[in-house]
Amino acid sequence: SAVISQKPSRDICQRGTSLTIQCQVDSQVTMMFWYRQQPGQSLTLIATANQGSEATYESGFVIDKFPISRPNLTFSTLTVSNMSPEDSSIYLCSVLTNRGDTQYFGPGTRLTVL
Amino acid sequence: AQSVAQPEDQVNVAEGNPLTVKCTYSVSGNPYLFWYVQYPNRGLQFLLKYITGDNLVKGSYGFEAEFNKSQTSFHLKKPSALVSDSALYFCAVRVHSGNTPLVFGKGTRLSVIA
Repeated sequence: SAVISQKPSRDICQRGTSLTIQCQVDSQVTMMFWYRQQPGQSLTLIATANQGSEATYESGFVIDKFPISRPNLTFSTLTVSNMSPEDSSIYLCSVLTNRGDTQYFGPGTRLTVL
Repeated sequence: AQSVAQPEDQVNVAEGNPLTVKCTYSVSGNPYLFWYVQYPNRGLQFLLKYITGDNLVKGSYGFEAEFNKSQTSFHLKKPSALVSDSALYFCAVRVHSGNTPLVFGKGTRLSVIA
């Protein structure tokens, strides 16, 4: 398995501002993903964080709004830019271990935008 | 395209009774199938997976699931429910090959009543 930490665990932000969420894994992993979980909803994939290259975004998500970095095999950041109340969600980092079959999830970052 | 259906938003069961949470899937190719559990204000915890082999897989906390290829189902089961099993349960799928991210069902809220 993998131990994943996220910072911050929660935040309350004003509209129009940006927040950067950090994801740290205790071992090198092949793949890292960012998901969003809106209140009472399922998980929606935002993007795949690629090490050393631009992230791969899913339909409906764009780099200008959700810039992602992955400088190495254990760390990634997701920025939520120019926030609006509709961005209020839980943001989850997930990793696929080098064995390649099971995804593990971080504890999530609960974001509230006023 | 991959998809997962969890037909029940809510499942209620009495403590000590058997429980079933239903999941059906659609993929092109052989599936990897997973169940995760989410307790309030927590991240997703991996419960069990089907990759290949025996259709009945056993996981954490006494849960098991049966892969049925003809019915494209992967229902989660437990012989005797506990109040502490009350949580949100997600079924997820991805294709057998490649490091692709999971696609999730909408989730089923399990409530075990004492």
